[in-house]
Amino acid sequence: SQQGEEDPQALSIQEGENATMNCSYKTSINNLQWYRQNSGRGLVHLILIRSNEREKHSGRLRVTLDTSKKSSSLLITASRAADTASYFCATDAAGNTGKLIFGQGTTLQVKP
Amino acid sequence: GAVVSQHPSWVICKSGTSVKIECRSLDFQATTMFWYRQFPKQSLMLMATSNEGSKATYEQGVEKDKFLINHASLTLSTLTVTSAHPEDSSFYICSAMQRARVYGYTFGSGTRLTVV
Repeated sequence: SQQGEEDPQALSIQEGENATMNCSYKTSINNLQWYRQNSGRGLVHLILIRSNEREKHSGRLRVTLDTSKKSSSLLITASRAADTASYFCATDAAGNTGKLIFGQGTTLQVKP
Repeated sequence: GAVVSQHPSWVICKSGTSVKIECRSLDFQATTMFWYRQFPKQSLMLMATSNEGSKATYEQGVEKDKFLINHASLTLSTLTVTSAHPEDSSFYICSAMQRARVYGYTFGSGTRLTVV
């Protein structure tokens, strides 16, 4: 079953602009992770934020987590055409199952 | 870094035949692997959790007799789609957990299955 929703479902921006994607989830979590998937390919892990963290940075990526609202956002700054891909949030639910439950994903298109 | 190799990357088979997909952790031991299914333009749906040396745990609604999972060693898990039908056509992806709560998971490159 899906953990939650992401919005927007699709996003189209110009190169150099920032892209923001949001993710909501339903249960308590150990951590939340963001992944990128290029068309028809596997997933690439971008960043992991623990439940006791509120913000994390990695290069041009900035992730926030609000556990009171059960939501997270991914900001990609100074976007590039190569950032065109689908982006998924995934939650590692509290407990020790280790299962990842994915959001619906946001398809990002960055126009050169 | 951690690498997960998944084979084949694509396969076409006839209805009624079985297809085996392999997922290998190349440079680490994965006591737990996960199998996902992804339909076009949709998200990943967890099918099952594969634990080395024990039976897989299937998610609700996933037919365990149709999707056979074997995790015989610390580096290899296999998914066999038995008596495949066109509706089984999908993208199947495995992932391996290595200190997942610190580093995240490593995913295979996926297998595109087409049943004709």
